[in-house]
Amino acid sequence: AQTVTQSQPEMSVQEAETVTLSCTYDTSESDYYLFWYKQPPSRQMILVIRQEAYKQQNATENRFSVNFQKAAKSFSLKISDSQLGDAAMYFCAYRSAKLGGTSYGKLTFGQGTILTVHP
Amino acid sequence: ETGVTQTPRHLVMGMTNKKSLKCEQHLGHNAMYWYKQSAKKPLELMFVYNFKEQTENNSVPSRFSPECPNSSHLFLHLHTLQPEDSALYLCASSQGLGMDGYTFGSGTRLTVV
Repeated sequence: AQTVTQSQPEMSVQEAETVTLSCTYDTSESDYYLFWYKQPPSRQMILVIRQEAYKQQNATENRFSVNFQKAAKSFSLKISDSQLGDAAMYFCAYRSAKLGGTSYGKLTFGQGTILTVHP
Repeated sequence: ETGVTQTPRHLVMGMTNKKSLKCEQHLGHNAMYWYKQSAKKPLELMFVYNFKEQTENNSVPSRFSPECPNSSHLFLHLHTLQPEDSALYLCASSQGLGMDGYTFGSGTRLTVV
């Protein structure tokens, strides 16, 4: 079974600075998808960024980028020019690329990292 | 309305009550999911529905009973719950197998007293 680990329960950053959130995962599969989700106090989980394992190029979405190290099974999220609205709980998630079986449709989440942004 | 809508937003129920959580999506997605989010634990997948058919029941106790009457609506029927069932229950939907990720609702905060 796949597992996702976020080793930083809490992180903080000054506004306009850069912060990196860590995520590692364990899998025996070679093809999969990785995601970062943001959960603000409104509780709705919002997709921040997505990475396909077979793509070597790191995904980027505006101020958000990832450092995907497949061999190390590491998937960190970098937030540049941090803004007050970035304050939230961030979850790393794994999704198998298999089309069936017990992993069908399943996203496996890490424990989350609470990000605080100081003005 | 667009996106995934969950009602009620908050629910307090006694252990002998029966209640239902509702989820509705207006995105044309064909798969819907129930997740449980407890404090200090990763999100736990409870149920998966694909084209209205339940494809996964992740060893969830029978006091939780899902219903998916069509691909836009998903319910979670609750009866004789325990205090440890108190949590945030999140509904999500996806197009296809969710390779592009899910769209989540804002959840129902359930408290069992």
